[in-house]
Amino acid sequence: EAGVAQSPRYKIIEKRQSVAFWCNPISGHATLYWYQQILGQGPKLLIQFQNNGVVDDSQLPKDRFSAERLKGVDSTLKIQPAKLEDSAVYLCASSLSAPAGYEQYFGPGTRLTVT
Amino acid sequence: AQSVAQPEDQVNVAEGNPLTVKCTYSVSGNPYLFWYVQYPNRGLQFLLKYITGDNLVKGSYGFEAEFNKSQTSFHLKKPSALVSDSALYFCAVRDIGNTDKLIFGTGTRLQVFP
Repeated sequence: EAGVAQSPRYKIIEKRQSVAFWCNPISGHATLYWYQQILGQGPKLLIQFQNNGVVDDSQLPKDRFSAERLKGVDSTLKIQPAKLEDSAVYLCASSLSAPAGYEQYFGPGTRLTVT
Repeated sequence: AQSVAQPEDQVNVAEGNPLTVKCTYSVSGNPYLFWYVQYPNRGLQFLLKYITGDNLVKGSYGFEAEFNKSQTSFHLKKPSALVSDSALYFCAVRDIGNTDKLIFGTGTRLQVFP
């Protein structure tokens, strides 16, 4: 079974530029998560989708971050404009369904550096 | 609010010795607790979880964790450490409410020496 796919793996941009990340979850997983992991910290949830609906985006900086999951499968996360403090690893995860306590499966992440 | 704490930034252990990575939690209600491992330049891998049932949970790669309600702890253990176990370990708790949002600890780096 294929795991969670993410691209790109690495991205370097200048502040005020825009960037987009892509995620393809495990087939059949209804729930998709985007986490931000700043160096030296644990991951923090940015947004959770159940199929193509948003369940939780309370910690998403909506003035600059946006995310969508149009057909309930793939998802994109966008930052526009980027700030220096957005430098982090962006992790996508998926699980069977929520809320049910199912384990989440993580992709390899996208390491973003904002200069 | 739900939270977990990992009191040790780093744990060092010799190969073949038992290892323990500590985690304590603070929740309202019954906790759903998880352990994940992160290898360099890779995403998090699920090790094990506790939802209900036996206090001793067995997981992947020979790891196990003991849920202790009186001490609000969920320590990760392995009877005999391998050099390949060296990685970053995260404890997490499921948040309350209608989501499966995970609240992660700050992580503990495990270093196993030959």
